Formats: sequence, C-alpha cells, structure tokens
Amino acid sequence: DTAVSQTPKYLVTQMGNDKSIKCEQNLGHDTMYWYKQDSKKFLKIMFSYNNKELIINETVPNRFSPKSPDKAHLNLHINSLELGDSAVYFCASSQDFSGRLETQYFGPGTRLLVL
Amino acid sequence: AQSVAQPEDQVNVAEGNPLTVKCTYSVSGNPYLFWYVQYPNRGLQFLLKYITGDNLVKGSYGFEAEFNKSQTSFHLKKPSALVSDSALYFCAVRDSGGSTLGRLYFGRGTQLTVWP
Repeated sequence: DTAVSQTPKYLVTQMGNDKSIKCEQNLGHDTMYWYKQDSKKFLKIMFSYNNKELIINETVPNRFSPKSPDKAHLNLHINSLELGDSAVYFCASSQDFSGRLETQYFGPGTRLLVL
Repeated sequence: AQSVAQPEDQVNVAEGNPLTVKCTYSVSGNPYLFWYVQYPNRGLQFLLKYITGDNLVKGSYGFEAEFNKSQTSFHLKKPSALVSDSALYFCAVRDSGGSTLGRLYFGRGTQLTVWP
C-alpha cells in the first residue's frame, strides 16, 4: 500500500508548456504539502493545504498553482514552464500541522526536466 | 528565524564502525526535530523525531539521535554502520508553536558513504 503517491514520476517537457503533477495520500491525513528539491538537493516548502484550505504559500511564482479537490489529493499545476523549474517536486502529508502528530510523510517525487 | 545546519556535506565511514551525522538548529521556541533519509532517486523516508521527553530517540534501521538543548544539536548516530546505510540524510526542525503552520526547515543534507 503506497501511503503518498505522485504521478508522473518523470516529466520532460519544453519551455513554455503547462504541466500538472498529482499527489494522493491514503493515510487519512488532513494536511498536505508541496516541496521543491533543487539540483543541490536543497528542500524548500512551496505550499501547504489543511482540509482543502491553503495555509502556506511561500514566495513562489504565481505560475505555480496548487489545487486540493479533497483532503486526500493535492495537485500542482505549473504554467509557462521555465528552465529554472527543473527540479524534483515532493508531495508530503501529515495528520495535522499544529500539533505533535505532525510527522510529514513524503511521496517518491516527480523529476521535472524543462528543455 | 528557524534554521538547520548540517556542517558536513559528506561523511565517510567503514562498515562496522560507528557513524555520526551532525545537525544543529535554531528556533525561537521549543523545537520539534526530525531526521529523514533519501536513497538515490527515491523520496524522503522518516527515520526518527524528537518532540519531548527522553533526549535519546531511537528510530528505524538501528539509528538513534541525541537531543542536546544546551548545544542546540540533534546528531544522528548508529553504533555499527552498514553499506546499505549509504544515502543522503536530512535534518529538519520546526517550532512547536502553531504559528509556523507546520513549516519544516531542512538542512542541506549530508551524504553518508559506508565503505565495505
């Protein structure tokens, strides 16, 4: 049973295209996150949703738009892709965001390459 | 401001020897501290966490970490390293206060290589 899953695993696309990454968790968690890992392996949070409500929106270009249709899903849509968007994008989830139960569990990552 | 420092980019140890991966942190309140491991082309796997209580925390795969409040450190340790422990290790911290909204701040990672 995969706890946090992401599709696709790999994504190669041209500059200027629009693409989406999907994330699903079957842990019954209320909170989901998107992280970006750059080429130097640095991890930085991008967005977080709690029960379908956006609670964290870091300084991310507005070409990135998250959507949470329900609390088990958090998708990331990226418009007008740029070379600098090439990275690994990780989805994560946690039971909540404010208490001690907040261990975040990560998906396998989506490796995005913009040509 | 919250931050994590992993002072070593790389740690090399021989199989069977003890290993330590260092982490120091800075938070404004009480810290929640985490260690994650990333194998090549894989996601992050949770190893262990410190929330409160005993300063020595035991986790998966024989790893443990010691919380030291005075030194603001949370070093990861294992008594006897295995070649299969070779991976990228991340320390992460968040403030226990609710205002952080669950933000985890990660260190830059330490590549552990265990030689046979």
